[in-house]
Amino acid sequence: DAEITQSPRHKITETGRQVTLACHQTWNHNNMFWYRQDLGHGLRLIHYSYGVHDTNKGEVSDGYSVSRSNTEDLPLTLESAASSQTSVYFCASSESTGAMYEQFFGPGTRLTVL
Amino acid sequence: QQQVKQSPQSLIVQKGGISIINCAYENTAFDYFPWYQQFPGKGPALLIAIRPDVSEKKEGRFTISFNKSAKQFSLHIMDSQPGDSATYFCAASMSGSEKLVFGKGMKLTVNP
Repeated sequence: DAEITQSPRHKITETGRQVTLACHQTWNHNNMFWYRQDLGHGLRLIHYSYGVHDTNKGEVSDGYSVSRSNTEDLPLTLESAASSQTSVYFCASSESTGAMYEQFFGPGTRLTVL
Repeated sequence: QQQVKQSPQSLIVQKGGISIINCAYENTAFDYFPWYQQFPGKGPALLIAIRPDVSEKKEGRFTISFNKSAKQFSLHIMDSQPGDSATYFCAASMSGSEKLVFGKGMKLTVNP
């Protein structure tokens, strides 16, 4: 069955370290998204991609970067982790199939920056 | 500027009751309004969605009501069950973009 996976599921790191969170989908979807979820803020868009080699900044992109070298993967990199980036991160993918499209979410990665 | 405002932040209802979650949006260019359901430890999943060409959409016990002039939409859960206990997010997007703007979420607890 097609799915979207994230790894690692839990990560503890130190301030200033570079961290990369992986996202892999097997639906062959063109669109991929990264969100962070924090209490009181809901889901906020970090970066998104509409296809290979396409990347765009979202609402809260500072301190994060992404690259899209193939259809299946959109890794999220924290260049220099900060305590404010402690959060739960969700990856999602979608395909433009008509009026009622759906974003499929991964299980999330809980990141703690000490 | 919060483009999609959701209320209440939390709700407790008894089994069999009606749960109502409200959302208001700012941007009149939004034309797609989905609701996502999230269980603890899981990613959100699409529950039901509506476009503004209709004022109401029903799927089982879940109904979206849409008021274009007021720029508001709501989710009604009829005959609420303990299994409905989850966090619910409203969202919005506009034509040509599959970016979703989410509300802050509402935690629903249905007591048995």
